[in-house]
This record gives sequence, C-alpha cells and structure tokens, in this order.
Amino acid sequence: ETGVTQTPRHLVMGMTNKKSLKCEQHLGHNAMYWYKQSAKKPLELMFVYSLEERVENNSVPSRFSPECPNSSHLFLHLHTLQPEDSALYLCASSQVLGQPQHFGDGTRLSIL
Amino acid sequence: AQSVTQLDSHVSVSEGTPVLLRCNYSSSYSPSLFWYVQHPNKGLQLLLKYTSAATLVKGINGFEAEFKKSETSFHLTKPSAHMSDAAEYFCVVSDQGSSYKLIFGSGTRLLVRP
Repeated sequence: ETGVTQTPRHLVMGMTNKKSLKCEQHLGHNAMYWYKQSAKKPLELMFVYSLEERVENNSVPSRFSPECPNSSHLFLHLHTLQPEDSALYLCASSQVLGQPQHFGDGTRLSIL
Repeated sequence: AQSVTQLDSHVSVSEGTPVLLRCNYSSSYSPSLFWYVQHPNKGLQLLLKYTSAATLVKGINGFEAEFKKSETSFHLTKPSAHMSDAAEYFCVVSDQGSSYKLIFGSGTRLLVRP
C-alpha cells in the first residue's frame, strides 16, 4: 500500500484525444510531483506543486497541463500528444518540499 | 552540476550471495543521496537516504549503503540476496539549488538466480 494512488493504471489514446491522469495521496503531504519515465532514460521531473501552488515547470510542452485543486489531488491533462510521449507517468508526494518522496505505481500511457 | 553514475546497467547474483550495486556521484557540496527500488509495474520505493549524518546508512529489507567522500561513491549492498530483491535500483542525488529536485541515475537491473 503506497499511500499514493494513480488512475488509470493503463491508458491508450490517439494523438487527437484529450484525457486526464489522476493522482491522489492519503499521506497528508503538502507537495506533489509529476515525473515521466521513458525506456532507457532517467526519470524526468515534469511539475512540482507545493500547497497547491506550482513551483516548477521543467520545460514541459504545453500539451501537458497540470492541475492541483487541493493538496491531496493532482491531475495531468493531456491533449494532442505525440508518439514520443508514450511512457510511464509517475506521481509522487512529500511532506514538504525537500523531504523524501513517496511514489505511486504510475500510469502506463501509450500514444497510437 | 550534480549528477550520479550507476556503473552497471545489469547485475546478476545467485540467491543467498552478496549484492553490490555501484554508484558514483558528482557534487560540489555535501549532497543528499538516496537509493530507490522499482519492482515491475510498480512505482519507486525509498530504500535509504544519506543526509550528512552517519556515513553508513541502513535501509529497509536488509540493504545498506556507505557514503565515501574520498571516492565520491555511495554503493548499495546487501549480505544475502533474496529472490524478491529482483528489481531495478536507482541512485539519486538532490539538486543543490532546489532540494526537491531529484537527479536520477540510469538504473541498475538486479537479477537474482535461484
């Protein structure tokens, strides 16, 4: 039981679709993160939120749009994605920024 | 800039034998270092962390790592491998300017033979 739940676990979508990834943490943490894990590449930090404020946008294309409505929930809205966006998207949370991060099991995204 | 290098992309050991996963770091300051493990189709789990206290850090599941400043190394060890240890292991350093930014190594896949 990780305490960080991601849905869906798997998602297949076309390049013109719009979908959203959801992350929920049950740990009472104040910081949340989105990462991209591609084959044969190190994990890439995408976005960071602290107390629902975005503190990091790591040069991510605008076709990825994050949303943090409260400290327990984090979304990643997707539209007009490219095949190279196929990857495992991981959500993480920490008590505050700089504390160890707890990861969810990820959403495996495939773009057709 | 900080970085970590995991020297082996794959390590294979027999069950019951010692495990050594190697990691070298590059940092101009005293870094915070971590080891994470990722089992198939799972997220990352924190094994242990070093934050400038004791140089020998004990983690979960019998793993430990030793911070050696003179060698800029932070190798992960376990005395006796178990089948359930088969997974991918990541050495991680935190960014000096923004401690919440984690810089990941490329990973080492551990195979445990029966």
